[in-house]
Amino acid sequence: EPEVTQTPSHQVTQMGQEVILRCVPISNHLYFYWYRQILGQKVEFLVSFYNNEISEKSEIFDDQFSVERPDGSNFTLKIRSTKLEDSAMYFCASTFLLAGGETQYFGPGTRLLVL
Amino acid sequence: GQNIDQPTEMTATEGAIVQINCTYQTSGFNGLFWYQQHAGEAPTFLSYNVLDGLEEKGRFSSFLSRSKGYSYLLLKELQMKDSASYLCAVYGGNKLVFGAGTILRVKS
Repeated sequence: EPEVTQTPSHQVTQMGQEVILRCVPISNHLYFYWYRQILGQKVEFLVSFYNNEISEKSEIFDDQFSVERPDGSNFTLKIRSTKLEDSAMYFCASTFLLAGGETQYFGPGTRLLVL
Repeated sequence: GQNIDQPTEMTATEGAIVQINCTYQTSGFNGLFWYQQHAGEAPTFLSYNVLDGLEEKGRFSSFLSRSKGYSYLLLKELQMKDSASYLCAVYGGNKLVFGAGTILRVKS
């Protein structure tokens, strides 16, 4: 069964450093998402991406964040200058359609710890 | 605004039936999803409702009333492995908006 994959599984970084989280969505999917989950809190939407453009972003997704689909398979989330409060689990998700019960398939997540 | 409410925790006995409720007030609605999440893992899809009524899928069923902004997830024949967090999520505006999740503890 096709899966969304994410690398790395864990990342530890110093405050102020840049991090790039990588995702490989399911190959025929067209819509891509990043969510985050701070420990003990709910899953929060960050950004959605379609046709090489951001289609929607949340208030969390400020100028420190960017997304890119550098080639036909990868989808990346960059945090330019990490803050302590960026420590969270980051989930990538993808879907083929926007509606009709097509679920978003989540990757296993990258646990980011900012020190 | 977006508001999704579900109970924080529930406890049930192995073999029993449990119902987890979710109420929502969201600015857009294109369906309601239930996900299961074990600690430290990604959410996994359980069910989807876009029309009013009950959707059954093995031991899991989900109900939706759009006029009441209400859904529930019904788990039958509970097993120990069902101990997890259950997330109610509304799909609208090309994103999923999640509730805080209900931690279900199944005891023997």
